[in-house]
Amino acid sequence: NAGVTQTPKFRVLKTGQSMTLLCAQDMNHEYMYWYRQDPGMGLRLIHYSVGEGTTAKGEVPDGYNVSRLKKQNFLLGLESAAPSQTSVYFCASSLRWGDSNQPQHFGDGTRLSIL
Amino acid sequence: AQKITQTQPGMFVQEKEAVTLDCTYDTSDPSYGLFWYKQPSSGEMIFLIYQGSYDQQNATEGRYSLNFQKARKSANLVISASQLGDSAMYFCAMREVNTGNQFYFGTGTSLTVIP
Repeated sequence: NAGVTQTPKFRVLKTGQSMTLLCAQDMNHEYMYWYRQDPGMGLRLIHYSVGEGTTAKGEVPDGYNVSRLKKQNFLLGLESAAPSQTSVYFCASSLRWGDSNQPQHFGDGTRLSIL
Repeated sequence: AQKITQTQPGMFVQEKEAVTLDCTYDTSDPSYGLFWYKQPSSGEMIFLIYQGSYDQQNATEGRYSLNFQKARKSANLVISASQLGDSAMYFCAMREVNTGNQFYFGTGTSLTVIP
């Protein structure tokens, strides 16, 4: 039971470097989400996708890009990393709204530090 | 305006006692879902319980119950017979049907169970 898998789990970048976080889910979920978690601020939505080939901005999208070329994968990119992007990043997936009790399933998170 | 408000940054409870974690929400969508997640110090997000906006009865899952007061827009989590393993961050979340299926999270409550 893999569920939602995030890679890498930890990463340290220098300011200005780029990187891509990968999220993969094996539950055939339509919806996928990227969040960042900072102390005292809960989870804030960066971008999300309601299906293959579609993405939308969340609450804090600036400095990030995403792509969903395959249903099972959702990529989060940082083109030019900044210290303000130091955070823990969570990927989540869910079924389409319809069944009434479908929560999000989360990955274990990626701890990213920008020096 | 905040969609989800958790007013208790930190709570303490004696082992074996019950504790209530507060959550209020704001929505004009008649169809929505309310969720509680637990985040232990290891970092993963664990789904605990769900309440749908049309559910007539309060949800229960083992030692967890959700005190749903629709008119007050509150969805408090009640943990009965607290255990040391309940020490964690707890997040309340809401999913609205008509806003692109985003999930909105509160800032969390840190619960410490005292032996």
